[in-house]
Amino acid sequence: EAGVAQSPRYKIIEKRQSVAFWCNPISGHATLYWYQQILGQGPKLLIQFQNNGVVDDSQLPKDRFSAERLKGVDSTLKIQPAKLEDSAVYLCASTPLRGSATEAFFGQGTRLTVV
Amino acid sequence: RKEVEQDPGPFNVPEGATVAFNCTYSNSASQSFFWYRQDCRKEPKLLMSVYSSGNEDGRFTAQLNRASQYISLLIRDSKLSDSATYLCVVKGQAGTALIFGKGTTLSVSS
Repeated sequence: EAGVAQSPRYKIIEKRQSVAFWCNPISGHATLYWYQQILGQGPKLLIQFQNNGVVDDSQLPKDRFSAERLKGVDSTLKIQPAKLEDSAVYLCASTPLRGSATEAFFGQGTRLTVV
Repeated sequence: RKEVEQDPGPFNVPEGATVAFNCTYSNSASQSFFWYRQDCRKEPKLLMSVYSSGNEDGRFTAQLNRASQYISLLIRDSKLSDSATYLCVVKGQAGTALIFGKGTTLSVSS
């Protein structure tokens, strides 16, 4: 079974530039998450989708971050404009069911450096 | 107060040692509990779920105390390959996302 695919793996941009990340979850997984992991910290939820609807975006900095999952499959996360403190690994994860104690499967992440 | 708190370590132990990690969570309505493992520059992967009755998977034992809102992970007979960051993870009711602690770093040396 193919895992969660993310691209690009690495990105270096200057502050105030824009960047976009892409995620393709495991086939059939209805729930998709974007997490931000700053060095030395645990992953922090940015947004959760159920199919193509947003379930939780309470921690998404909406003045600069946006995300969409138009057809309920793959998703993009955008930052515009980027700040130095956005340097982090952006992890996409998916689960097959909305509820229950199901395992979340993570992609390898996109490592963003803002200079 | 953070939702999930862990001692970040690092824990430096020799091969064969027994090491225990602790975690506390603030939301008493939390329903599911996990330990994830994250290797350096890799994504988190599920190590084991944690049940109220306690559960064991080989050298790994997880315990949950709902009354104290406390989760633990015990690793016996540590191997070099156990070196990683161990993330305590809590999930609320159905439909909510995983909440991660900062992680505890373990380094096993020969």
